[in-house]
Amino acid sequence: DAKTTQPPSMDCAEGRAANLPCNHSTISGNEYVYWYRQIHSQGPQYIIHGLKNNETNEMASLIITEDRKSSTLILPHATLRDTAVYYCIVRVAGNAGNMLTFGGGTRLMVKP
Amino acid sequence: NAGVTQTPKFRILKIGQSMTLQCTQDMNHNYMYWYRQDPGMGLKLIYYSVGAGITDKGEVPNGYNVSRSTTEDFPLRLELAAPSQTSVYFCASSYNSLSGNTIYFGEGSWLTVV
Repeated sequence: DAKTTQPPSMDCAEGRAANLPCNHSTISGNEYVYWYRQIHSQGPQYIIHGLKNNETNEMASLIITEDRKSSTLILPHATLRDTAVYYCIVRVAGNAGNMLTFGGGTRLMVKP
Repeated sequence: NAGVTQTPKFRILKIGQSMTLQCTQDMNHNYMYWYRQDPGMGLKLIYYSVGAGITDKGEVPNGYNVSRSTTEDFPLRLELAAPSQTSVYFCASSYNSLSGNTIYFGEGSWLTVV
């Protein structure tokens, strides 16, 4: 599975959009981009995933560049409860054994 | 719908003791996983299973054993507990599909070995 690079931390004002970047320049054609988050002391929570088209659900939007080498997770109106560590992972669908690590992620701090 | 349920939530073990962390899921997922997370670090895969009767090692399997006799249950066994196994353990499950497989996590089991 391709490796990902994320900034270690970011701040966002409450009510504003939070844009979390992820670089995955070695991604291959059959690898999906997944985003999870982990609120302190809780199990990781699935947010969204995509292959090459932009995706949106009730939690967030995922923007994947045309060359698929990077992506951005957008939380449109961040709240204090969105403070968490956000993990970007790329992996082949159905490849259970390669869900090896979540890496360091981005620690998002939403401030009042 | 309970999702992924882990027990116990907290446990203190003495060095050399053994114990089993229980995990069950009610989503009929074929894939199940065990991760550990050390303080301030990301998650590391210990073992995983792609179906009943099938298990395989992840990144950090030493000191652990698993079994998968049913689709629902995936217990993690710690033999001869060591301080290095002090961690938070997360069980997870997913349904394999060609359109992507979302992984659902339990709430974690905090284990301290003293």
